[in-house]
This record gives sequence, structure tokens and C-alpha cells, in this order.
Amino acid sequence: ETGVTQSPTHLIKTRGQQVTLRCSSQSGHNTVSWYQQALGQGPQFIFQYYREEENGRGNFPPRFSGLQFPNYSSELNVNALELDDSALYLCASSSQLSANTNTGELFFGEGSRLTVL
Amino acid sequence: DAKTTQPTSMDCAEGRAANLPCNHSTISGNEYVYWYRQIHSQGPQYIIHGLKNNETNEMASLIITEDRKSSTLILPHATLRDTAVYYCIVRVVRIGNNDMRFGAGTRLTVKP
Repeated sequence: ETGVTQSPTHLIKTRGQQVTLRCSSQSGHNTVSWYQQALGQGPQFIFQYYREEENGRGNFPPRFSGLQFPNYSSELNVNALELDDSALYLCASSSQLSANTNTGELFFGEGSRLTVL
Repeated sequence: DAKTTQPTSMDCAEGRAANLPCNHSTISGNEYVYWYRQIHSQGPQYIIHGLKNNETNEMASLIITEDRKSSTLILPHATLRDTAVYYCIVRVVRIGNNDMRFGAGTRLTVKP
């Protein structure tokens, strides 16, 4: 069973640019969530995708957007990058078969560290 | 989801039990208590969760008070590899909800 993988692991962008981060969910998982973790803070929920649709969103502006593909992999896109977008971006997957089988356990990847200059 | 309060940092001697407290005085009846940890430069790792009964797995034990207003995560024999930030999260489990509200957590340092 493969775990959650993210790419790239590190990248540097400049203000105003756009970035796409990628995530492959753990085998058998159909839900993907994205989190932003600034230095010294806990992860903050950005949004999640289930069955290729966004079905939950945290307090992030519309320039943070995403996609989920039929194979459950996902992308996070951030437009018009700002200095404060510098952070570790974490992807987490889980299985959402039913309320009875949803234990709420998330499996996280190692993250993509974005630096905005 | 209910808010949690954890100490900023704790130390523990290697081989001893590490007891990490968490207060969640506003917890609702249908909210679970979750614990995750994050070792430096890695993604968070699920440890354990519970509703009202004490729980134990191969990693840790979770003790929830009878009024459910606080809980303690116990690592029975801490090792240097247990040095990490430990997050206590309280949330409702429902289909389609992966919104985990992480706070600042407790930085546990296990010392030789």
C-alpha cells in the first residue's frame, strides 16, 4: 500500500506568480484535503475534495483553488502569490465510504515547501 | 468544533512515560478527541482517537475524563524518536468532513 506522495518537495516563486502543487492519495482513499502550515504554527485547513468536487473550505481566499481527478489525485493552485503564502503545504487523504466507516483518520504526505520572494 | 488548550512544551526522560494533557471544556456530546503528532520536517501522523471511553493502541493510550472536559495522551515508554509536536483536536466525525482544526500543539522533547 503506497502512502500519500506530494510534489515538488521544495520550490521558490516570486510575488505575483502562480504555483501548482500535486498530491497522490493513499491507495483506496477517495477524499483529499489540503493544509497550509506556516513556520511555527499548526496546519490550517484550506479545502477538501470528495468525488472530484470541493465540499469543504477553510478561511482562504478564492485565489487558492484545487482539483481532484478520477484517480483521486489532487492539485492545489495558488494564483497571485504573496509573501505570506510562504509555507509548508500538506496534503492528506482519507476514505469516506460511509459515516460508519469514517474514523476521521487522515494520512498526510511530507508536504511541499513553498518560498515566495 | 470545540477549542483545545495544551501546554506549549514539555520534557520527558527517555524510557519514562510521557503524559500530555489537553483541555477541551466546551466539547459537545458528538465530538471526538483526536491526537496527531508531527516530527520535524514530516507531515502529521495520526496517533489515536476516542469519544468517551479510554483507548489504547500500539502507539499510545488516551484517557478521557468522565465529564469529557479534558484528556491525557500517554506514551508509556518514551524514546528519542517520540520528540515531536503533539496536537490535540476535537471534532465531529461525519462523512465528507476532513477539517481538522490544529492548534499550536505541545512540543515534547524526550531527553536521554
